Amino acid sequence: AQTVTQSQPEMSVQEAETVTLSCTYDTSESDYYLFWYKQPPSRQMILVIRQEAYKQQNATENRFSVNFQKAAKSFSLKISDSQLGDAAMYFCAYRRGAYGNKLVFGAGTILRVKS
Amino acid sequence: GAGVSQSPSNKVTEKGKDVELRCDPISGHTALYWYRQSLGQGLEFLIYFQGNSAPDKSGLPSDRFSAERTGGSVSTLTIQRTQQEDSAVYLCASSPRDRENSNEQFFGPGTRLTVL
Repeated sequence: AQTVTQSQPEMSVQEAETVTLSCTYDTSESDYYLFWYKQPPSRQMILVIRQEAYKQQNATENRFSVNFQKAAKSFSLKISDSQLGDAAMYFCAYRRGAYGNKLVFGAGTILRVKS
Repeated sequence: GAGVSQSPSNKVTEKGKDVELRCDPISGHTALYWYRQSLGQGLEFLIYFQGNSAPDKSGLPSDRFSAERTGGSVSTLTIQRTQQEDSAVYLCASSPRDRENSNEQFFGPGTRLTVL
């Protein structure tokens, strides 16, 4: 079975600075996707960024980027120029490649942003 | 366009009662998922629908939990004889078949269930 581990229950960052959230996963599959979701207090899950396993290039979405180390099964999220609105719970998730497969989530990391 | 909607937003019930949670997916999304998020925890998968059939119901924790989907649209998750450990946020997600966008799952706001 696939597992996702987020070893940082909570992180803090100063506004405008950079923070990295860690995620490792375990799978024997070769075709899969990795995701970072943001969940603010409203409970609404928002997709932040996605990475397809067969793509070597790290995904980037504006201030958000990932460091995908396939051999190490590591998928960290870097948030640059942190903003107060980035404060939320962040979940790392894995999905086996094909359409219709479930997401497997890590336990989450609470990110606090200090002004 | 409208996103995934869920009702009720919050539900408080007494131990032993049955509850029904509703999910309205995004129009045209053939895949629908239910997840459960216990306090301070990650999400755990419950069941997946493709159209009206459920090819994967491996996450349902007990036979007190059941779900159905009608017309390839609305889904209802039913919990019978609720227990205190059923207290959680129940999240629904839907997905189009869109490989270019990784068949992204779009989530609703969830239903917070509290069993007293």
